[in-house]
Amino acid sequence: EIVLTQSPGTLSLSPGERATLSCRASQSVSSSYLAWYQQKPGQAPRLLIYAASGRATGIPDRFSGSGSGTDFTLTISRLEPEDFAVYYCQQYGSSPPYTFGQGTKLEIK
Amino acid sequence: EVQLAESGGGLIQPGGSLRLSCAASGFTFSSYNMNWVRQAPGKGLEWVSIISSSGGTIYYADSVKGRFTISRDNAKNSLYLQMNSLRDEDTAVYYCVRGDYYYGMGVWGQGTTVTVSS
Repeated sequence: EIVLTQSPGTLSLSPGERATLSCRASQSVSSSYLAWYQQKPGQAPRLLIYAASGRATGIPDRFSGSGSGTDFTLTISRLEPEDFAVYYCQQYGSSPPYTFGQGTKLEIK
Repeated sequence: EVQLAESGGGLIQPGGSLRLSCAASGFTFSSYNMNWVRQAPGKGLEWVSIISSSGGTIYYADSVKGRFTISRDNAKNSLYLQMNSLRDEDTAVYYCVRGDYYYGMGVWGQGTTVTVSS
């Protein structure tokens, strides 16, 4: 089973700043099948990034993903008020289980 | 509009059984793998199970293996999760999620809440 470790656990930033979220895998993620999701309180998660760097439909271009192998990054170039939420990475390559990271909470400073 | 709508959640005693349903609309249900993902109160996301588009391939998380059964009815555009021998730690919001080999989990239902408590 691939274990995903996200850092930091909590990130405190101000609107307009740049956010960098990390996701590290315990072993190489097959074909970079790594996704990022955003979840706001009381809502279902929303897919932001697929295959490490592909932006899902309707996602603003301030969100970008990068990385391969065991190290992946989600970057939000300029934070908007609606971006403050919890972010999860997930690997979905090869065989299940399709594990999630423990999440990074992005909060307003 | 692509939609997934879960139902069947509720309060159940430990050791009991519950069947969750998910009704799909707005897309060709029979073409997609389908998943169940859960989230315990105040906790992160946990993948539970996946069933292939035809229903021929199924996987489970170790935490539910032998107790939960995923199934689908492509004629009814529906996904199911039969949950037996429920434990306190199965308390969670259960999401029905459409999967894709390349695009990941792009469509989520609103979730249904299962509470296991005496």
